[in-house]
Amino acid sequence: EVQLVESGGGLVQPGGSLRVSCAASGFTFSNSWMSWVRQAPGKGPEWVASIKQDGTDKYYVDSVKGRFTISRDNAKKSLYLQMNSLRAEDTAVYYCTTGGGNFGNWGQGTLVTVSS
Amino acid sequence: DIQMTQSPSSLSASVGDRVTITCRATQSITTNLIWYQQKVGKAPKFLIYAASSLQRGVPSRFAGSGSGTDFTLTISSVQPEDFATYYCQQNNSMPRTFGGGTTVEIK
Repeated sequence: EVQLVESGGGLVQPGGSLRVSCAASGFTFSNSWMSWVRQAPGKGPEWVASIKQDGTDKYYVDSVKGRFTISRDNAKKSLYLQMNSLRAEDTAVYYCTTGGGNFGNWGQGTLVTVSS
Repeated sequence: DIQMTQSPSSLSASVGDRVTITCRATQSITTNLIWYQQKVGKAPKFLIYAASSLQRGVPSRFAGSGSGTDFTLTISSVQPEDFATYYCQQNNSMPRTFGGGTTVEIK
């Protein structure tokens, strides 16, 4: 059974940084594109970033380019999202997902709140 | 960027009704269209890919159709567990984009 478990969310001040993580199990992590998708309170999902199996290709939504970095550690079966220069509009539940286009499996999400 | 527009934004239905949700893209995405179901407090669930292919385990009362810019999700006989919000998403090009959602409520 595919399991994706996010962690690292919390309350951070505007301009601050946070790293969220995702621990994967139940599938061959190193063979899978992986992505982060976020959902602001009361809104629909928004794709944030995707990373290729070996980490060589990365894609970002324009609103986070230059501020967020997606990375992975295939030996640890883990996915990361480093978030810098956080803004109020980054407040959302951040989901780890399998796939780079078809988001087939989702974690339970971790809430990131950007507020002073 | 490709924009995805869903209609209606919400609808009310009784158990057993046929429900139809539409999704329109601002440019052709051939059949690169995904449908998700989301229940309150839960992550979205992958329902349909390639516009019309059901994910394993999804009941056959769900059906997707369309190509190009216009797509439809149909629930042939809505069941109590189907009351949820449905989202379409294009995976034709980056950035991946989602529709605004359609909430199916109990009448």
